[in-house]
Formats: sequence, structure tokens, C-alpha cells
Amino acid sequence: EAGVAQSPRYKIIEKRQSVAFWCNPISGHATLYWYQQILGQGPKLLIQFQNNGVVDDSQLPKDRFSAERLKGVDSTLKIQPAKLEDSAVYLCASSTRRGYEKLFFGSGTQLSVL
Amino acid sequence: ILNVEQSPQSLHVQEGDSTNFTCSFPSSNFYALHWYRWETAKSPEALFVMTLNGDEKKKGRISATLNTKEGYSYLYIKGSQPEDSATYLCAFNNAGNMLTFGGGTRLMVKP
Repeated sequence: EAGVAQSPRYKIIEKRQSVAFWCNPISGHATLYWYQQILGQGPKLLIQFQNNGVVDDSQLPKDRFSAERLKGVDSTLKIQPAKLEDSAVYLCASSTRRGYEKLFFGSGTQLSVL
Repeated sequence: ILNVEQSPQSLHVQEGDSTNFTCSFPSSNFYALHWYRWETAKSPEALFVMTLNGDEKKKGRISATLNTKEGYSYLYIKGSQPEDSATYLCAFNNAGNMLTFGGGTRLMVKP
């Protein structure tokens, strides 16, 4: 079974630039999550999709972050413009059902904003 | 925002030592408690998903217990090995299906 695919693995940008991350979940997984993990802290949920609908985006800074999951499969997360405090690991995860089942994570994107 | 706390933040043990960590979470609206292991340069990997008060789960040398009434879970590692070095994350799932992670416990096992 193929795992959760994420790209790029690393990204370095300057503040005020834009960046996009891509995620392809495990086939058949209806739920997709984007988490932000700042060094020394636990992962923080940015947005949760059920198929192609948004379930929770209460912690997504909507003035600069956006995410979409077209056709209920792969997803992109965009930051525009980036700030220094956006430096973090961005993790994508998927599961078969909300909350009940374990999450399968991608390898993450290490973002450095200079 | 739900408060999920893990202690200690970091832990250094010798190979062969047994160790345990704590995850504290709200005792109301409980649905499930997850444990994940995150090794450096790898993806977080699920260890356990626990749903019932008093539940105990075991995977090799790692086991976990759950007390939903008082809002805590323990993760135990028996006879720690260097390959157990990782960050251990717990995540609380409430009845609203929001999964909130704790800050993690970073374990380092010295040979």
C-alpha cells in the first residue's frame, strides 16, 4: 500500500514570498489533514477535509494561508505572503474516518522563511 | 482550543532502562486517544488508538493505559533500546472529531 505522498521535502524562501505544498493521501482515505509543527511544539491542525469539503479550518490564518482539495483526492496548501513565524514542518495526514482511525502521515515539508 | 499536555518534555535513559510518559487531556467529551512515534527524518507513525476507559494496549515492548474519567494516559517502554529514541506524541479526539496533539515527549536512549 502506497503511503501519503508530500512534496517538496524542503523549501527555503524569503519573507513575503509565496510557497505551495502538495499532498496525495492514501487511496480511499476520505479525511485529509494539514498540520503545522513548530520546533518544540506539537502539531497544530490547520485544516481538515472530509472528501472535498472543509470540516475544520478554525486555526488556519486565512489572511495568508489557503488550502484546497479538488475532487476529494490530493490537496495543496499555500502561504502568501510568508512570514518568518511560518518556519515549521508542514505535515499532511489522511485517515479512513474522522477521529476513529489512526492517521497516516506524509514525510512533511520543512519550510524555512528567511 | 483543547489542552493536551505531555510530560516530561524530554527524557534521557540508558539502554535497558524502562520508562514511562504521561499524556493529560480533558475528561469531558472523550472519544479517542492516539499515541504516535516520530523518529527524526521520518513520518509520525501510529502506535495505538484507544477508546475505552481502562483500555490497555501492547505492541512489543511498548504498552499504554487509558483513564478517561481522570483524563490521562501512560505510555510505557520496557527495556529501552537506542532505536526507541524518538518523539512520542499523544493526540486527543473529542466528540466533535477534532484531533488535538500534545507537545510530545522526546526520548533519547543512550547505548
